[in-house]
Amino acid sequence: GQQLNQSPQSMFIQEGEDVSMNCTSSSIFNTWLWYKQEPGEGPVLLIALYKAGELTSNGRLTAQFGITRKDSFLNISASIPSDVGIYFCAGQRTGTASKLTFGTGTRLQVTL
Amino acid sequence: EPEVTQTPSHQVTQMGQEVILRCVPISNHLYFYWYRQILGQKVEFLVSFYNNEISEKSEIFDDQFSVERPDGSNFTLKIRSTKLEDSAMYFCASNLDRGLGEQFFGPGTRLTVL
Repeated sequence: GQQLNQSPQSMFIQEGEDVSMNCTSSSIFNTWLWYKQEPGEGPVLLIALYKAGELTSNGRLTAQFGITRKDSFLNISASIPSDVGIYFCAGQRTGTASKLTFGTGTRLQVTL
Repeated sequence: EPEVTQTPSHQVTQMGQEVILRCVPISNHLYFYWYRQILGQKVEFLVSFYNNEISEKSEIFDDQFSVERPDGSNFTLKIRSTKLEDSAMYFCASNLDRGLGEQFFGPGTRLTVL
């Protein structure tokens, strides 16, 4: 099956630092989404991207849809302790019942 | 804010037993999904459902699995004869328009098969 690879696999940062993570695929997607998951909970949607090259912000989060349509990037500025969690990218192709293909995840730890 | 709900939050069962996991999607949504997540791994698609029929299913969704929308609000996943490897978190998701991509997930049911 398709594989979406996320890097880095995990990050340990200090509060106040900026964070960058990315997601790459061997095939094209029409939509990219970013989710955050905390322990024992379901994925929570952060940002959705619909066009190649699109840059979208949600508070301190900014995500970009890569122009090749095979990658996406998520940045978090001025991290705070509640940013801790696992960040998943998900790709989607319209016309295929909209299933999401999830990435391998980036685990973020924030220290004070 | 409307949300997807799931029951039970945790289900423990013996191998070979049937389980039914329940979900109440967001009320005006039309597309429904089940995903699963084995501990420490990524989220994997199982099945999508629209207009009272399966739209797509993954290779994981074999004949031991079935889905149903028995009334206007519930969406269920049944596993007929559970196996040890079915132990996972099962997430229900819904969205309004399959073209929009924004799928909203429930909190999950942790299934433990002994």
